[in-house]
Formats: sequence, structure tokens, C-alpha cells
Amino acid sequence: DTAVSQTPKYLVTQMGNDKSIKCEQNLGHDTMYWYKQDSKKFLKIMFSYNNKELIINETVPNRFSPKSPDKAHLNLHINSLELGDSAVYFCASSQVRNSQEGEQFFGPGTRLTVL
Amino acid sequence: AQTVTQSQPEMSVQEAETVTLSCTYDTSESDYYLFWYKQPPSRQMILVIRQEAYKQQNATENRFSVNFQKAAKSFSLKISDSQLGDAAMYFCAYRGAWTGNEKLTFGTGTRLTIIP
Repeated sequence: DTAVSQTPKYLVTQMGNDKSIKCEQNLGHDTMYWYKQDSKKFLKIMFSYNNKELIINETVPNRFSPKSPDKAHLNLHINSLELGDSAVYFCASSQVRNSQEGEQFFGPGTRLTVL
Repeated sequence: AQTVTQSQPEMSVQEAETVTLSCTYDTSESDYYLFWYKQPPSRQMILVIRQEAYKQQNATENRFSVNFQKAAKSFSLKISDSQLGDAAMYFCAYRGAWTGNEKLTFGTGTRLTIIP
């Protein structure tokens, strides 16, 4: 069973389009994250949700909007895609206050290419 | 704000030998967690090892061990008996211990090549 899954794994689209990436975790975790990995492999936090509530929102353009319908899902919607949005987007989850405190489990990543 | 620095963009090691990857960090917090993640060409992020800052004992996971120097803010990863499957990008990461600061702050990564 996949612990953290993302769809799609690859996404190729034109500039100006709107797209969504979905993430689901079956670990029962209460916190989920979105990270962006750029072309130089640098990973940076974008958002974090705890029990469907936004707790971390780094300096991300308003075109990016996360949505958490329930604590097992955290989707990322991107409006008006730009060339600079091309990257790999990782979803992750964690459970605070247990024996694995601190560990984040990552999804397989979604490679977004904007043409 | 916390920062994580990996000063070795690339490292290589002969198969079966030992290699050490360096990581330093900057924080004003007294309690936190440190991690090493491995990213093979498949791009999956895999946790290699975790260290709690309040524990003085260095973490060990099979062939992987860390040298955690809290005063020096240093957290290096030692890989013993290197294997071809260890070839990957390795990321050092920091996480604060208090609720609301669960994000991971990553270093820029070290690409490890294993020479057969």
C-alpha cells in the first residue's frame, strides 16, 4: 500500500493554464505539506496543513492555492501557470507527538513542466 | 530563521569504502530534529537517519551513522561499506521541535557517486 500518493506523476501544460495536483495519505497523519524542488534540486516548503487548517504559508504567489477537504488529502491548485513554475512538487505528511515525531513521509513527486 | 548548509555539492567514494557527508546548520532554538534524506534517481525522498537534539548519543542505522556536534551545529553523515545502491542525492534537513514549526528546512544537497 502506498503511504503518500500523488497524482499525476507528470504534468505537461501550456503557460497560462490552470492545473491541480492531488495528494492523499493513508497513514492517519494529521499534518500535510507541499514542497517545491527546483531545477537545481533545492527543496523548499510551500504550505503546511494541520487537521485541515493552514499553519504554514511561505512566500508563495497567490496563484498557488492549497485545499484540504479532509486531513487525509491536500491538493494544490495553480492558476495562470508560468515558466518558472516548472519543478517537482512533493507532498508529505507527518504525525506530531508520537514515537516517529518529526519524520515526514514523502510522496513520489509530481514533475510539472510548463511550456 | 534557520539555515542548513551542505558545502560539498558532489562526493565520490570507492565501493566498500567509507564516506562522510558534511552538514552545518544555524538556529537559535535549543530543541529540534535533524535528518538525512536520500533521493535516488527515482526522485523518491527516503529518510536515512534522524537525530533529536536533546539526545547526546549519535544515531545509527545499520551502515549509516551521524556525528552530531550540537555546540558546533554540525551534523555529518557517515556511510560505511558503501554500496552501489547508495548512489543518490543526500539532503540534510532541520525541523524545529515546537508545534507550528514542523516544516523541514533543507540544505542544497550532496550528490554521492559510488565507484565500482
